[in-house]
Amino acid sequence: DAKTTQPTSMDCAEGRAANLPCNHSTISGNEYVYWYRQIHSQGPQYIIHGLKNNETNEMASLIITEDRKSSTLILPHATLRDTAVYYCIVSPNYGGSQGNLIFGKGTKLSVKP
Amino acid sequence: DVKVTQSSRYLVKRTGEKVFLECVQDMDHENMFWYRQDPGLGLRLIYFSYDVKMKEKGDIPEGYSVSREKKERFSLILESASTNQTSMYLCASSLTGFSYGYTFGSGTRLTVV
Repeated sequence: DAKTTQPTSMDCAEGRAANLPCNHSTISGNEYVYWYRQIHSQGPQYIIHGLKNNETNEMASLIITEDRKSSTLILPHATLRDTAVYYCIVSPNYGGSQGNLIFGKGTKLSVKP
Repeated sequence: DVKVTQSSRYLVKRTGEKVFLECVQDMDHENMFWYRQDPGLGLRLIYFSYDVKMKEKGDIPEGYSVSREKKERFSLILESASTNQTSMYLCASSLTGFSYGYTFGSGTRLTVV
């Protein structure tokens, strides 16, 4: 069973920030928060991950609450090409047991002109 | 640019055939994974491998086997294809020991008739 809860769908205006929430209230101390996205007919694409601190890379920012029970993925200036399903995943990170990425249903983000 | 390459984008096979899905990565990743993706069910892990000649069952291994003779190549085998194996198959790879993201291939859409 997925350990995360995300809204089914969201809309965002082109050029505006897209803020995608995720609840992971049962997250354990050694579990990371990962975000992936899947554009139609393509494989999922890794975006960002974090443990405790906020993270930023060239694609997005990840804000994790202090109690780690929720997080928000921020796309600072959404474009039409950011239209995709966004998956929030929590997973342990140890050795060879990385085969436990459980993809839930994700959030369908539609960026509109 | 790093890549995970799946040998076929679309494949049509007959019931009972033995089917090989090939996946090659050029990133020297230790871990490789096979998922299938079906509408309403999300991505489900079939098998993964954390080293050459090593394999671990995922959530839905029945009806499948895998082979990893070389580090860069991970093959999924459908011993006797059935119509309920019609699906999108996704291969992924990752490094071990640190929270690197998974890199996915573009997928193989398999239809069993």
